[in-house]
Amino acid sequence: DILMTQSPSSLSASVGDRVSISCRASQSISGFLNWYQQKPGKAPKLLIYATSNLNSGVPSRFSGSGSGTDFILTISSLQREDFATYFCQQSYKTPLTFGQGTKVEIK
Amino acid sequence: QVQLQESGPGLVKPSQTLSLSCAVSGGSISSSGYYWGWIRQPPGKGLEWIGYIHSSGSTDYNPSLTSRANISMDTSKNQLSLKLTSVTAADTGTYYCARRDGYNFGYRYWGQGTLLTVSS
Repeated sequence: DILMTQSPSSLSASVGDRVSISCRASQSISGFLNWYQQKPGKAPKLLIYATSNLNSGVPSRFSGSGSGTDFILTISSLQREDFATYFCQQSYKTPLTFGQGTKVEIK
Repeated sequence: QVQLQESGPGLVKPSQTLSLSCAVSGGSISSSGYYWGWIRQPPGKGLEWIGYIHSSGSTDYNPSLTSRANISMDTSKNQLSLKLTSVTAADTGTYYCARRDGYNFGYRYWGQGTLLTVSS
């Protein structure tokens, strides 16, 4: 199985801050890396697919980058509605695997 | 707009078989190229992929479930089903159905999830 490791596990930030979350795969995943946002009691929401492609309706303050085994989700200016948990997921091969999540909290 | 709606018993006893359904609206589950999956999340924890069924009927499962899972589709009802045998407390969590638009795609469409508790 491909192990996905996110860092940090949690972070505290203020509205307007620039935030970055890292995701590392245990082997190359050819750019098939997706990012999700999950709020309490809700299903995950796809933010970015294939490393850097913004899903329809997702604000442009979200961006993704990376290659090989190392990927980053960046929120350029954190908004109140962005406080949530973020997961990365590889869709290179099955079993599909997720990172353990990064909780973004209000400072 | 595609919508997915899970349903299930809520409570299952250990060693029993869990059966969940996912009703799909706004599109046919047999439309070519789609991957319909089940993902679960234990309370307060991360996401685990259970498996998928392709619109062609082919399936793939997470080996961690040791062959306990079975995913099927009923095209007449436009719904998916998940059966999980020999459940234990470790199977407690929220179960989601979701759709990918291709093999290497992310899950763009999700149901709201259904909570399952395994307890005697």
